[in-house]
Amino acid sequence: DTGVSQNPRHKITKRGQNVTFRCDPISEHNRLYWYRQTLGQGPEFLTYFQNEAQLEKPRLLSDRFSAERPKGSFSTLEIQRTEQGDSAMYLCASSRDRDEQFFGPGTRLTVL
Amino acid sequence: AQRVTQPEKLLSVFKGAPVELKCNYSYSGSPELFWYVQYSRQRLQLLLRHISRESIKGFTADLNKGETSFHLKKPFAQEEDSAMYYCALTSLAGGTSYGKLTFGQGTILTVHP
Repeated sequence: DTGVSQNPRHKITKRGQNVTFRCDPISEHNRLYWYRQTLGQGPEFLTYFQNEAQLEKPRLLSDRFSAERPKGSFSTLEIQRTEQGDSAMYLCASSRDRDEQFFGPGTRLTVL
Repeated sequence: AQRVTQPEKLLSVFKGAPVELKCNYSYSGSPELFWYVQYSRQRLQLLLRHISRESIKGFTADLNKGETSFHLKKPFAQEEDSAMYYCALTSLAGGTSYGKLTFGQGTILTVHP
């Protein structure tokens, strides 16, 4: 197990297109988190899962954002009709209950 | 609402000098506080958490509930400490509220030789 992995590492898209990111957590970690980080800011919490249940949906973002974690394993984050303001680093983390969160390398999204 | 403030975006010290990275928080309940570190071209990783009361790589941090602060300290900085440091908090209560981290803006620490 090499830790949390995220794909793709970089994504360039045109405004209005849909994008999907994938996160593979550490095996047997039941919690999975998504964060967004813009330049000069700390990571901002988006949503998280305990097993396959989404415990909180993105409140700060529009309905264009959705996340899934089928079968409680990997997770996907989809952004529909991307806007330039969506350009950011999208981070995934996983943990076993209240233990330490381990972060992935992130997916950098650029919306042209 | 919960908020974490790191007043210094940049902090420079010389090797062997003491270093203190400031963190103040605002939270209505009982928080759990963390320091995360990101070295150049590496992923974000946990440095320490206040409930474990450990000293990692010579760093310590004490939770001061009266001043709502969780400053990170090291008596003698090393060049390999140069990195981005983030203070973060979550609810200490159990249940689903635990784990949602609120991060500060980060402080870039540079340790000069």
